[in-house]
Amino acid sequence: DAGVTQSPTHLIKTRGQHVTLRCSPISGHKSVSWYQQVLGQGPQFIFQYYEKEERGRGNFPDRFSARQFPNYSSELNVNALLLGDSALYLCASSFPPRGEKLFFGSGTQLSVL
Amino acid sequence: ELKVEQNPLFLSMQEGKNYTIYCNYSTTSDRLYWYRQDPGKSLESLFVLLSNGAVKQEGRLMASLDTKARLSTLHITAAVHDLSATYFCAVPKGGSQGNLIFGKGTKLSVKP
Repeated sequence: DAGVTQSPTHLIKTRGQHVTLRCSPISGHKSVSWYQQVLGQGPQFIFQYYEKEERGRGNFPDRFSARQFPNYSSELNVNALLLGDSALYLCASSFPPRGEKLFFGSGTQLSVL
Repeated sequence: ELKVEQNPLFLSMQEGKNYTIYCNYSTTSDRLYWYRQDPGKSLESLFVLLSNGAVKQEGRLMASLDTKARLSTLHITAAVHDLSATYFCAVPKGGSQGNLIFGKGTKLSVKP
């Protein structure tokens, strides 16, 4: 079985642009979470979606938004990019929200110039 | 507000030595997770600790959880170079494991 897949793997944008990151969870997993990891820090929670509904939101500005599709894949959108948005964006999936394990994808490395 | 603190943040060990990484958290939780991250890579799940007194071992790593003390430890026995990585502990916020609060990580370097 394929693990959590994310695309693209790397992305370079300029300030003010918009970006869309994509995530496909493990087959059968209905919960998807997004995390931002700045170099040298632990991952920071952005969003959780379960059954296409937002189940949690971290302390991020409204420039960050996400959605989950009927096939449980998910998109993370970031508008009006800032230099400080440069980070590794990780997607994670689990079967139910309180499932035992959270499985992480390889991430999208976003660089904002 | 849930806070997760790890120490030490940096650890340089010699091969063959033992050491312990500590993870403290600020609010009640009945579960805790340990992850490993290699440079430029994603997070690999090491242990899921689901109750007070839980102890799990995999190879040279052993993790334990004391929910009363709000403390977890990751013990490294007879370290080898392959264990060099950054180790994170994480606690679920509001009981949802999709919303994990991570520590800052412990960067472990094992030298011959």
